Amino acid sequence: GESVGLHLPTLSVQEGDNSIINCAYSNSASDYFIWYKQESGKGPQFIIDIRSNMDKRQGQRVTVLLNKTVKHLSLQIAATQPGDSAVYFCAENQAGTALIFGKGTTLSVSS
Amino acid sequence: DTAVSQTPKYLVTQMGNDKSIKCEQNLGHDTMYWYKQDSKKFLKIMFSYNNKELIINETVPNRFSPKSPDKAHLNLHINSLELGDSAVYFCASSQRTGGDTGELFFGEGSRLTVL
Repeated sequence: GESVGLHLPTLSVQEGDNSIINCAYSNSASDYFIWYKQESGKGPQFIIDIRSNMDKRQGQRVTVLLNKTVKHLSLQIAATQPGDSAVYFCAENQAGTALIFGKGTTLSVSS
Repeated sequence: DTAVSQTPKYLVTQMGNDKSIKCEQNLGHDTMYWYKQDSKKFLKIMFSYNNKELIINETVPNRFSPKSPDKAHLNLHINSLELGDSAVYFCASSQRTGGDTGELFFGEGSRLTVL
């Protein structure tokens, strides 16, 4: 199950700050993880993914960290901008099933 | 061109009615999905089809019947609508490789309100 205390339903940051969104996944056999961003009134959009043979992957302004020991995934957003305000979901791929989504975190960026 | 398009975007109907939501993807993907997002934003898989064949059915009431006429289309028909069916329904597609789902591409969602 989820690790209590790791998931925050909301996160408020100032423009320019770095944001860290945490996620605890459920299945130690999951081998592929994705972060999605969902803006109001839209469908989820892919941000970044990582496979279980890696522990870190970087994109443009975003970094995903994977800790398989504690089944924890995090998304770091550098220099957060108002356009980053959205709901962020982590998702895990369990073999033979579809992507399983975690609870979302609503990121609010104030300028 | 919208990669995954679903219609209608909004649907308001009475309890007991039957309604359908249509989905089409022009990405050439083999696999399509229906997800349900509740009022707390929780996204839950309902169905998955691969090349027109049902591969995942996640304990969804049999009032929900997906139909895939070809691999580019996955429609969702709901019979005898109930208040609890009110949600946003998302269609998605992916190019499965091996055991991986791969990246999902989502439609814009169809908000169903049952009165």
